[in-house]
Amino acid sequence: AQKVTQAQTEISVVEKEDVTLDCVYETRDTTYYLFWYKQPPSGELVFLIRRNSFDEQNEISGRYSWNFQKSTSSFNFTITASQVVDSAVYFCALSEARTSGSRLTFGEGTQLTVNP
Amino acid sequence: SQTIHQWPATLVQPVGSPLSLECTVEGTSNPNLYWYRQAAGRGLQLLFYSVGIGQISSEVPQNLSASRPQDRQFILSSKKLLLSDSGFYLCAWSVGPGGETQYFGPGTRLLVL
Repeated sequence: AQKVTQAQTEISVVEKEDVTLDCVYETRDTTYYLFWYKQPPSGELVFLIRRNSFDEQNEISGRYSWNFQKSTSSFNFTITASQVVDSAVYFCALSEARTSGSRLTFGEGTQLTVNP
Repeated sequence: SQTIHQWPATLVQPVGSPLSLECTVEGTSNPNLYWYRQAAGRGLQLLFYSVGIGQISSEVPQNLSASRPQDRQFILSSKKLLLSDSGFYLCAWSVGPGGETQYFGPGTRLLVL
């Protein structure tokens, strides 16, 4: 069975600090996909990134960066120079590779609060 | 561009009453559709998914059912609500083979009293 663990339930930082959100996953599949979503107070999940299991290149998008390490089954998310608008719940998710209709397994989420 | 709608946005229902939540997608054809539930302060749990009209897969046996009467319409129903059905219900869509990104709707907050 697939499992995603986000050990950090809540993180609080001061604006402009860097913050890393941890994600550890378990799967028996050799082909799989990893995702990060952001859930602001409004509730809608906003897609941030998708990685497949064969691409371990780190990715940077503005102040966001992701570190994927298959050796430790981790897919961590770093926000550089955090801002108040980054305050949200962040979810890491894992998807199997199927012909269609793949299911997302979510972690429990990390509540990030960025204080001014 | 694709958009996904859910309604109602919020709903307060008494225990034992029926439920119907609707989700529609615009701007794409033959999407995969999903219903998730999020209990307060918790992660999301997949309830149902559909890869085509009339095709429903249930992930968790429970008090709910789903139907897909049209290509871009996905309905979540219950004949008799339980207190434990309270939560935030999110619909999502994706296209293509497995592993594709799922895009979520605005959600419906359901409170069963």
